[in-house]
Amino acid sequence: EVQLVESGGGLVQPGGSLRLSCAASGFIFSNYWMHWVRQAPGKGPVWISRIDHDGSVRNYTDSVKGRFTISRDNAKNTLFLQMNSLRVEDTAVYYCARESDRSYEFWGQGTLVTVSS
Amino acid sequence: DIVMTQSPDSLAVSLGERATINCKSSQSVLYSTNNKNYLAWYQQKPGQPPKLLIYWASTRESGVPDRFSGSGSGTDFTLTISSLQAEDVAVYYCQQYYRTPRTFGQGTKLVIK
Repeated sequence: EVQLVESGGGLVQPGGSLRLSCAASGFIFSNYWMHWVRQAPGKGPVWISRIDHDGSVRNYTDSVKGRFTISRDNAKNTLFLQMNSLRVEDTAVYYCARESDRSYEFWGQGTLVTVSS
Repeated sequence: DIVMTQSPDSLAVSLGERATINCKSSQSVLYSTNNKNYLAWYQQKPGQPPKLLIYWASTRESGVPDRFSGSGSGTDFTLTISSLQAEDVAVYYCQQYYRTPRTFGQGTKLVIK
């Protein structure tokens, strides 16, 4: 059974940092591109980043470029999102999702990041 | 970026009746090499992640009831629920995966009339 489990969310002050993790199981992690998608309270999902099989290709939405870094550890079947210089508008539930030719057929349950003073 | 626009924003339908949600993309999401539309539909219930219902615009994901169907090509797409059940109350999103950044519609909230 495919499982994606996010962790690392919490309350942080503006300008602070957090590192999210997504532990994957039930599939060959290194075979898949992985994505981070976030959803602000009461809003729709928004794609923020993706990474290819070995980490050599990484893409970001404009609003997080230079502040967020996606990475992965294929030996530990884990995806990461390092978030620096956090802003109030980064407040959201952050999901990791597995990419396939069906788009996102597997999502984690999400981890809540709240940026507030 | 490809902009996805759904209509309506909210929809009230009686149990057993048909529900139709539309989605329009600002540019075609049809990949000519394989003639597939890179358009997905998701259902989201409160406190849960989005659930994939339809991919390639019209292919139902495994386990999704056959009352859900998708249609359309190019820039105009439709999600149809043929006979609304109580458990279908949710927010529905379309999403294009033709190009990065992947973009979602704003969502359609479906309620029981």
